[in-house]
Amino acid sequence: DIQMTQSPSSLSASVGGRVSITCRASQSISIYLNWYQHKPGKAPELLIYGSSTLQSGVPSRFSGSGSGTEFTLTISGLQPEDFATYYCQQSYSTPFTFGPGTKVEIK
Amino acid sequence: QLQLQESGPGLVKPSETLSLNCAVSGGSISSGNYYWDWIRQPPGKGLEWIGRIYHTGSPYYNPSLKSRVTISVDTSKNHFSLKLSSLTAADTAFYYCARRPNRPYGYFDLWGRGTRVTVSS
Repeated sequence: DIQMTQSPSSLSASVGGRVSITCRASQSISIYLNWYQHKPGKAPELLIYGSSTLQSGVPSRFSGSGSGTEFTLTISGLQPEDFATYYCQQSYSTPFTFGPGTKVEIK
Repeated sequence: QLQLQESGPGLVKPSETLSLNCAVSGGSISSGNYYWDWIRQPPGKGLEWIGRIYHTGSPYYNPSLKSRVTISVDTSKNHFSLKLSSLTAADTAFYYCARRPNRPYGYFDLWGRGTRVTVSS
C-alpha cells in the first residue's frame, strides 16, 4: 500500500492569513492526489483533484500543486469557514489511502 | 441535489456482523458513471478506504478487509450497503459512504455525513 504523510499535523493561523499543508507519498503517484476538507459532524468535501484542479464551486483561495511524491495545499486569505481538518488522498493505485490529516485552527 | 445518508446500528457486539446502508436521494444510483464507495475513520486515526461497487455490481475491496467485507447495491431501493463480519473493537469507527466518478484521479466528489459505529459487548 502507498503510505501518505502530512505536515504539519496541526497549525494555527489568523483570518486573512496564508497556510500551506504538505502531503508526501511513499512512492511516486504522478498527480493522482486529491484534497478534502472535513468539519466535525459534516460530510467531507472535495477541494482539489489531480493535484491542482479545483473542484467546481470551491473558492479560488484554495490551490494545489505538486507531482511525484510531494504535494502542497495552499489556502490564501483564510476565511472563518476554512477552519477544519484537511486530508490528502492518493488514487494512483488501490487500495486508495489517505493522509492522517492537518487540523487548521484559529490563532 | 444528490445526497448520501448512512444508516445502521450505532452499537454492535464483538464477533457479530455490521450492516450499514447508504441511501442515495435526489438522483438515481444508476445514472451516470459512478462508483459507490465505503470509507471509515476509527477514533483518532486516519481514513481507511473499505471498497466500492458499481450500480451493476462488481464489488472491489481493500485487501486488508476483503475476507470480512461485502458491498452490495439495490437499484430498486436506490441504496448500497456494507456488511462487515467478525467484528472487533478495532472496527469501531465513523463509517462514510461516498460517490466516485469513473474518471481519472479517483476522487470522492460527494460524501455522506457518516455514521458512528461502536463495537462493544
